[in-house]
Amino acid sequence: NAGVTQTPKFRILKIGQSMTLQCTQDMNHNYMYWYRQDPGMGLKLIYYSVGAGITDKGEVPNGYNVSRSTTEDFPLRLELAAPSQTSVYFCASSSIQGVYGYTFGSGTRLTVV
Amino acid sequence: TQLLEQSPQFLSIQEGENLTVYCNSSSVFSSLQWYRQEPGEGPVLLVTVVTGGEVKKLKRLTFQFGDARKDSSLHITAAQPGDTGLYLCAGAGNTGKLIFGQGTTLQVKP
Repeated sequence: NAGVTQTPKFRILKIGQSMTLQCTQDMNHNYMYWYRQDPGMGLKLIYYSVGAGITDKGEVPNGYNVSRSTTEDFPLRLELAAPSQTSVYFCASSSIQGVYGYTFGSGTRLTVV
Repeated sequence: TQLLEQSPQFLSIQEGENLTVYCNSSSVFSSLQWYRQEPGEGPVLLVTVVTGGEVKKLKRLTFQFGDARKDSSLHITAAQPGDTGLYLCAGAGNTGKLIFGQGTTLQVKP
């Protein structure tokens, strides 16, 4: 049972480039989330989804887009990368929204130069 | 906006010492969770507390949820180098989504 799988593990982007961070889960969870983690700032919610075809913004959505065409996959798209998007990105999933905890992937470390 | 304040932010102790990490808010949470994160990995759920006043133990770790469900603490007895990591508290807020504290970086020196 793989849980939540994120790819790539590391990526360096130049300013203005675009990329997609991949996230897939094999637990049949309805709820999926994208967070970014910056030193001393905890985890900030970027986007979330309550099921296939349904997504909504979190605290810090600017500069990002998501889609949820299947229960398993929840990719995060960065358009026109900026240095402020240098961060570690985590995807998570849960069967019930929030109350009993999330399962996290191992993260993608992104540097924008 | 619901916020969770974690303290201390950094803790460096010797092996065998005890420590407590606090997670406080002015808001009520339906549940509160503690995660541990190692470098290069995602957070891993340690425990969920749901009932006000609830105490849960996980080997040398003791978790408590405040009576008013606004705060929580994590106590580690006789810390070991393997306890080193980032500890995060998270509360299930009124929107159902988790709100995370800033984290406590713990270093246990042998």
